[in-house]
Amino acid sequence: ETGVTQTPRHLVMGMTNKKSLKCEQHLGHNAMYWYKQSAKKPLELMFVYSLEERVENNSVPSRFSPECPNSSHLFLHLHTLQPEDSALYLCASSQGSGIMNTEAFFGQGTRLTVV
Amino acid sequence: GENVGLHLPTLSVQEGDNSIINCAYSNSASDYFIWYKQESGKGPQFIIDIRSNMDKRQGQRVTVLLNKTVKHLSLQIAATQPGDSAVYFCAENRVDTGRRALTFGSGTRLQVQP
Repeated sequence: ETGVTQTPRHLVMGMTNKKSLKCEQHLGHNAMYWYKQSAKKPLELMFVYSLEERVENNSVPSRFSPECPNSSHLFLHLHTLQPEDSALYLCASSQGSGIMNTEAFFGQGTRLTVV
Repeated sequence: GENVGLHLPTLSVQEGDNSIINCAYSNSASDYFIWYKQESGKGPQFIIDIRSNMDKRQGQRVTVLLNKTVKHLSLQIAATQPGDSAVYFCAENRVDTGRRALTFGSGTRLQVQP
């Protein structure tokens, strides 16, 4: 266990559904991240939150909507997804709100399948 | 799995041999590098890191070498074990863009033959 917990582990949703992915970290970190890992591309950064403020949005479609209510929790709200959005969605956290120069701890990921 | 579709380079070694996994990075301004291991069905797991003011760092059974002249990073695993079978990623912090997150390479699959 890395101290970063993601739920659910697996999710199947239709293109018209709305669902949310949850991430929780118990490490006292103040930065959290969403990454996408698909079968055709390496790990892609989606969003960065530092001190609960979004500091980076890496050209992600608006059908993905992140939320960071506090430094321990991060959500990714999903709606009207496409089949190509099927992937492993990884949450990570790290210490430091500036330029990242410490390791990131990853959760186990949520495997999302859009049908 | 999530890496199946990628044409990952694969390194196959015999149990007990040493493994060397290589990574090239593109940004000479990067100053922090990490190696991660990802087993099937799991998230990436930290192995070892190195900062640009160093050229070598050792951990338990692992050594990372950094050659800034040719922008090359390597991970050496001593006495490779079946449990080392996984996909290994190098990651860098690219400071020129002010990015606050790591950029990952595409990974290398390590297969350890018993």
